[in-house]
Amino acid sequence: AQSVTQLGSHVSVSEGALVLLRCNYSSSVPPYLFWYVQYPNQGLQLLLKYTSAATLVKGINGFEAEFKKSETSFHLTKPSAHMSDAAEYFCAVKEEGSQGNLIFGKGTKLSVKP
Amino acid sequence: EAGVAQSPRYKIIEKRQSVAFWCNPISGHATLYWYQQILGQGPKLLIQFQNNGVVDDSQLPKDRFSAERLKGVDSTLKIQPAKLEDSAVYLCASSFSTNQPQHFGDGTRLSIL
Repeated sequence: AQSVTQLGSHVSVSEGALVLLRCNYSSSVPPYLFWYVQYPNQGLQLLLKYTSAATLVKGINGFEAEFKKSETSFHLTKPSAHMSDAAEYFCAVKEEGSQGNLIFGKGTKLSVKP
Repeated sequence: EAGVAQSPRYKIIEKRQSVAFWCNPISGHATLYWYQQILGQGPKLLIQFQNNGVVDDSQLPKDRFSAERLKGVDSTLKIQPAKLEDSAVYLCASSFSTNQPQHFGDGTRLSIL
């Protein structure tokens, strides 16, 4: 069965520092991968998605993620953190053979210190 | 375009009571999803509709949960009777098709006393 593992339930960075949120997946077929962001008391917003085109995917708000098949990883990065980036981030994989069901990781809460 | 609308935003009930949530997807979106998000976890799919038909309800606890999308537009999710472990945020999402990105509503936060 497919799964997603997010390393670190809580990451704290200083404003202006590099953001790195880790995601590893398990899949027997080329996966469709997603990063979503969730602000307090809100739903999830799509940041970016990988659908077997370019391995480096650029998303909204300056985020990007790189698909590395050899490492089964899809880590999310942003060169310079902003206070407004503080939120919870979820990595997800589209369930193979499904009609669109997403399997989510447990999430990583990002804190940004001034 | 208007986003996915959910109501109510918050609901507090006692165990064994019943509760219903409502979702209005983005206009034109054929696929509708209900997810359960327990505190500290990622969302888990409960049920998926394609128009007014159920595509996947394998993780829906059918002894107490039910959902419908009679006219292929808005949808309701019901819990009867509620248990303490049903305390969670219930998220509705919609997409134009199963291969398109899902758009999420703000969710309904359910607390069971």
